[in-house]
Amino acid sequence: GAGVSQSPSNKVTEKGKDVELRCDPISGHTALYWYRQSLGQGLEFLIYFQGNSAPDKSGLPSDRFSAERTGGSVSTLTIQRTQQEDSAVYLCASSLASRSNYGYTFGSGTRLTVV
Amino acid sequence: GENVEQHPSTLSVQEGDSAVIKCTYSDSASNYFPWYKQELGKRPQLIIDIRSNVGEKKDQRIAVTLNKTAKHFSLHITETQPEDSAVYFCAASRGGSNYKLTFGKGTLLTVNP
Repeated sequence: GAGVSQSPSNKVTEKGKDVELRCDPISGHTALYWYRQSLGQGLEFLIYFQGNSAPDKSGLPSDRFSAERTGGSVSTLTIQRTQQEDSAVYLCASSLASRSNYGYTFGSGTRLTVV
Repeated sequence: GENVEQHPSTLSVQEGDSAVIKCTYSDSASNYFPWYKQELGKRPQLIIDIRSNVGEKKDQRIAVTLNKTAKHFSLHITETQPEDSAVYFCAASRGGSNYKLTFGKGTLLTVNP
Protein backbone atom coordinates (compact mmCIF):
# COMPACT_ATOMS: atom_id res chain seq x y z
CA GLY A 1 0.00 0.00 0.00
CA ALA A 2 0.90 3.66 -0.10
CA GLY A 3 1.58 3.90 3.60
CA VAL A 4 1.63 1.93 6.83
CA SER A 5 -1.92 1.06 7.90
CA GLN A 6 -2.94 0.30 11.45
CA SER A 7 -6.26 -0.92 12.78
CA PRO A 8 -8.26 -0.21 14.75
CA SER A 9 -7.45 3.48 15.14
CA ASN A 10 -9.05 3.46 18.59
CA LYS A 11 -9.75 0.62 20.98
CA VAL A 12 -11.42 0.75 24.37
CA THR A 13 -11.31 -2.48 26.33
CA GLU A 14 -12.07 -3.66 29.81
CA LYS A 15 -9.27 -4.58 32.15
CA GLY A 16 -8.46 -8.28 31.85
CA LYS A 17 -9.60 -8.66 28.25
CA ASP A 18 -7.26 -9.56 25.36
CA VAL A 19 -6.72 -7.21 22.42
CA GLU A 20 -5.20 -7.57 18.96
CA LEU A 21 -3.69 -4.67 17.07
CA ARG A 22 -2.96 -4.95 13.37
CA CYS A 23 -0.26 -3.39 11.20
CA ASP A 24 -0.06 -3.55 7.41
CA PRO A 25 3.38 -2.29 6.32
CA ILE A 26 4.43 -0.67 3.06
CA SER A 27 4.71 -3.31 0.34
CA GLY A 28 8.31 -4.41 -0.07
CA HIS A 29 9.48 -3.20 3.33
CA THR A 30 11.33 -6.06 4.96
CA ALA A 31 11.51 -4.62 8.45
CA LEU A 32 8.57 -3.97 10.78
CA TYR A 33 8.68 -2.37 14.22
CA TRP A 34 6.24 -1.84 17.08
CA TYR A 35 6.62 1.05 19.51
CA ARG A 36 4.48 2.32 22.35
CA GLN A 37 3.91 5.97 23.17
CA SER A 38 2.30 6.84 26.47
CA LEU A 39 0.69 10.27 26.93
CA GLY A 40 3.35 12.95 26.54
CA GLN A 41 6.13 10.37 26.53
CA GLY A 42 8.73 9.17 24.07
CA LEU A 43 8.76 6.17 21.77
CA GLU A 44 9.29 2.93 23.66
CA PHE A 45 10.59 0.05 21.50
CA LEU A 46 8.59 -3.19 21.76
CA ILE A 47 9.56 -5.63 18.98
CA TYR A 48 11.29 -5.72 15.58
CA PHE A 49 10.86 -8.13 12.66
CA GLN A 50 13.53 -8.31 9.96
CA GLY A 51 12.88 -10.60 6.99
CA ASN A 52 13.02 -14.25 8.02
CA SER A 53 15.23 -13.65 11.05
CA ALA A 54 14.07 -14.33 14.58
CA PRO A 55 12.35 -11.18 15.91
CA ASP A 56 14.04 -8.89 18.40
CA LYS A 57 11.63 -9.09 21.34
CA SER A 58 13.87 -7.31 23.81
CA GLY A 59 11.42 -4.42 24.35
CA LEU A 60 8.30 -6.40 25.25
CA PRO A 61 7.41 -5.29 28.81
CA SER A 62 5.93 -8.60 29.98
CA ASP A 63 4.88 -12.03 28.76
CA ARG A 64 1.36 -10.67 28.28
CA PHE A 65 2.68 -9.04 25.10
CA SER A 66 3.36 -11.01 21.92
CA ALA A 67 3.53 -10.30 18.23
CA GLU A 68 3.71 -12.20 15.00
CA ARG A 69 4.30 -11.34 11.40
CA THR A 70 2.71 -13.63 8.86
CA GLY A 71 4.19 -14.11 5.40
CA GLY A 72 6.66 -11.30 5.95
CA SER A 73 3.87 -8.74 5.69
CA VAL A 74 1.01 -8.07 8.13
CA SER A 75 1.80 -8.06 11.83
CA THR A 76 -0.44 -8.50 14.85
CA LEU A 77 0.45 -7.31 18.34
CA THR A 78 -1.51 -9.15 21.03
CA ILE A 79 -1.89 -7.99 24.61
CA GLN A 80 -3.40 -10.55 26.96
CA ARG A 81 -5.18 -9.74 30.22
CA THR A 82 -4.89 -6.01 29.61
CA GLN A 83 -4.03 -3.69 32.50
CA GLN A 84 -4.67 0.05 32.85
CA GLU A 85 -0.96 0.76 32.46
CA ASP A 86 -1.18 -0.73 28.93
CA SER A 87 -3.17 2.35 27.86
CA ALA A 88 -1.08 4.11 25.21
CA VAL A 89 -0.77 4.73 21.49
CA TYR A 90 0.78 1.72 19.78
CA LEU A 91 2.74 2.74 16.69
CA CYS A 92 3.88 0.46 13.93
CA ALA A 93 6.61 1.40 11.46
CA SER A 94 8.22 -0.29 8.49
CA SER A 95 11.42 0.27 6.56
CA LEU A 96 13.36 -1.07 3.60
CA ALA A 97 16.17 -1.95 5.98
CA SER A 98 18.80 -1.82 3.26
CA ARG A 99 22.27 -0.38 3.64
CA SER A 100 21.25 2.69 1.69
CA ASN A 101 17.82 3.27 3.18
CA TYR A 102 16.56 2.39 6.60
CA GLY A 103 14.45 5.32 7.71
CA TYR A 104 11.09 4.44 9.22
CA THR A 105 7.62 5.21 7.93
CA PHE A 106 5.14 5.21 10.80
CA GLY A 107 1.48 4.30 10.79
CA SER A 108 -1.10 6.52 12.48
CA GLY A 109 -1.21 4.30 15.52
CA THR A 110 -3.83 2.54 17.60
CA ARG A 111 -4.95 4.40 20.71
CA LEU A 112 -5.64 1.75 23.34
CA THR A 113 -7.63 2.66 26.43
CA VAL A 114 -8.05 0.08 29.17
CA VAL A 115 -10.92 0.87 31.55
CA GLY B 1 22.32 -1.42 24.20
CA GLU B 2 22.08 2.05 22.75
CA ASN B 3 20.99 4.97 24.95
CA VAL B 4 19.97 8.30 23.43
CA GLU B 5 19.67 11.41 25.60
CA GLN B 6 17.85 14.45 24.23
CA HIS B 7 17.60 17.99 25.56
CA PRO B 8 15.97 20.29 26.20
CA SER B 9 12.65 18.58 26.88
CA THR B 10 10.79 21.82 26.10
CA LEU B 11 11.87 24.81 24.05
CA SER B 12 9.97 28.03 23.42
CA VAL B 13 11.15 30.55 20.83
CA GLN B 14 9.82 33.61 19.09
CA GLU B 15 8.87 33.35 15.44
CA GLY B 16 11.92 34.06 13.30
CA ASP B 17 14.42 32.94 15.94
CA SER B 18 16.55 29.81 15.65
CA ALA B 19 16.00 26.61 17.64
CA VAL B 20 18.63 24.01 18.52
CA ILE B 21 17.95 20.54 19.93
CA LYS B 22 20.82 18.33 21.05
CA CYS B 23 21.21 14.57 21.43
CA THR B 24 23.95 12.31 22.69
CA TYR B 25 24.29 8.59 22.07
CA SER B 26 26.23 5.85 23.81
CA ASP B 27 26.92 3.20 21.14
CA SER B 28 30.00 4.13 19.10
CA ALA B 29 28.85 1.66 16.41
CA SER B 30 25.75 3.75 15.65
CA ASN B 31 25.99 5.22 12.18
CA TYR B 32 22.55 6.57 11.27
CA PHE B 33 20.85 9.50 13.01
CA PRO B 34 17.36 10.57 11.90
CA TRP B 35 15.10 13.28 13.28
CA TYR B 36 11.33 12.94 13.43
CA LYS B 37 8.66 15.60 13.85
CA GLN B 38 5.38 14.71 15.52
CA GLU B 39 2.55 17.21 15.41
CA LEU B 40 -0.21 16.91 17.97
CA GLY B 41 -2.28 13.79 17.34
CA LYS B 42 -0.29 12.83 14.26
CA ARG B 43 2.28 10.18 13.41
CA PRO B 44 6.03 10.90 13.67
CA GLN B 45 7.47 11.90 10.29
CA LEU B 46 11.08 11.85 9.18
CA ILE B 47 12.34 15.37 8.50
CA ILE B 48 16.07 14.89 8.05
CA ASP B 49 18.73 12.28 8.69
CA ILE B 50 22.52 12.03 8.68
CA ARG B 51 24.98 9.18 8.40
CA SER B 52 28.26 8.88 10.23
CA ASN B 53 30.39 9.61 7.16
CA VAL B 54 28.99 13.15 7.00
CA GLY B 55 29.45 15.99 9.49
CA GLU B 56 26.58 18.23 8.44
CA LYS B 57 23.48 18.08 6.27
CA LYS B 58 21.12 20.88 5.36
CA ASP B 59 17.61 21.02 3.90
CA GLN B 60 16.22 24.54 3.56
CA ARG B 61 15.67 25.86 7.12
CA ILE B 62 16.69 22.60 8.79
CA ALA B 63 20.21 21.33 9.38
CA VAL B 64 21.73 18.51 11.36
CA THR B 65 25.31 18.30 12.61
CA LEU B 66 27.14 15.23 13.87
CA ASN B 67 30.23 14.97 16.06
CA LYS B 68 31.23 11.30 16.08
CA THR B 69 34.13 11.79 18.44
CA ALA B 70 31.92 13.35 21.09
CA LYS B 71 28.95 11.15 20.15
CA HIS B 72 26.48 13.93 19.81
CA PHE B 73 24.29 15.35 17.07
CA SER B 74 22.06 18.39 16.85
CA LEU B 75 19.06 19.70 14.94
CA HIS B 76 19.07 23.36 13.94
CA ILE B 77 15.95 25.13 12.72
CA THR B 78 16.40 28.67 11.43
CA GLU B 79 13.75 31.35 10.86
CA THR B 80 11.24 29.39 12.89
CA GLN B 81 7.55 29.57 12.00
CA PRO B 82 4.46 28.67 14.07
CA GLU B 83 3.99 25.53 11.96
CA ASP B 84 7.34 24.28 13.26
CA SER B 85 5.64 23.81 16.66
CA ALA B 86 5.68 20.06 17.38
CA VAL B 87 7.54 17.38 19.31
CA TYR B 88 10.90 16.50 17.78
CA PHE B 89 12.58 13.14 18.35
CA CYS B 90 16.16 12.22 17.62
CA ALA B 91 17.18 8.59 17.11
CA ALA B 92 20.21 6.41 16.46
CA SER B 93 20.78 3.08 14.77
CA ARG B 94 23.70 0.78 14.02
CA GLY B 95 22.32 -0.26 10.67
CA GLY B 96 23.96 -3.36 9.25
CA SER B 97 22.25 -6.39 10.76
CA ASN B 98 20.04 -4.40 13.12
CA TYR B 99 18.15 -1.38 11.84
CA LYS B 100 16.22 -0.75 15.04
CA LEU B 101 16.06 2.91 16.05
CA THR B 102 16.55 4.00 19.65
CA PHE B 103 14.74 7.28 20.25
CA GLY B 104 15.37 10.19 22.56
CA LYS B 105 12.51 11.27 24.82
CA GLY B 106 11.53 14.17 22.60
CA THR B 107 11.57 17.98 22.67
CA LEU B 108 8.35 20.00 22.63
CA LEU B 109 9.10 23.05 20.48
CA THR B 110 6.70 25.97 20.69
CA VAL B 111 7.12 28.85 18.25
CA ASN B 112 5.30 31.94 19.48
CA PRO B 113 3.93 34.31 16.81
